[in-house]
Amino acid sequence: GQQLNQSPQSMFIQEGEDVSMNCTSSSIFNTWLWYKQDPGEGPVLLIALYKAGELTSNGRLTAQFGITRKDSFLNISASIPSDVGIYFCAGDTRPSGTYKYIFGTGTRLKVLA
Amino acid sequence: GAGVSQTPSNKVTEKGKYVELRCDPISGHTALYWYRQSLGQGPEFLIYFQGTGAADDSGLPNDRFFAVRPEGSVSTLKIQRTERGDSAVYLCASSLYSGNTIYFGEGSWLTVV
Repeated sequence: GQQLNQSPQSMFIQEGEDVSMNCTSSSIFNTWLWYKQDPGEGPVLLIALYKAGELTSNGRLTAQFGITRKDSFLNISASIPSDVGIYFCAGDTRPSGTYKYIFGTGTRLKVLA
Repeated sequence: GAGVSQTPSNKVTEKGKYVELRCDPISGHTALYWYRQSLGQGPEFLIYFQGTGAADDSGLPNDRFFAVRPEGSVSTLKIQRTERGDSAVYLCASSLYSGNTIYFGEGSWLTVV
């Protein structure tokens, strides 16, 4: 099935560093979401974006819905060891009643203490 | 319950066997979803229930896959004549209504040998 392009695929960073990852699509999306998945767990929603240009923060996390509606990025500031995990972007191309998310391929983050 | 509950958490079955995976959504949630996550990939949509009916089953890969939600709460995903390619994590999720935030369970790991 269709999946979004996420980059980078993986990254090792030092504790305290800022992290940036992004997601791109060839289609226009009406909703963008960012999830984190820990080993053996289901994805947990971090941030949801509903309007082009929207910039939303959740603690040390900030995400933006791209103006073209074909991309989104997630920033994590001052990373800590518990930020380790896989980050997925997800989106829906439909105008309303979001449920049929298309997920990205994931960014695997490892934080070195 | 407090979250989406899935059983079994792990299932190993032989090729050709029949498998049932159960999902108990968050109490009061009317919408229920099944996704499948292959190793190293993001989740892929399978089917969506609003109440007792399957509102969208366009993600089911073939007719060996079937899901029911007879009383509008618990759902069962059924896989007939399992194949090795069916090995994946099957994630269930629920939301209060379609379009609201989706909460995922921890998933059922299915291994077909």
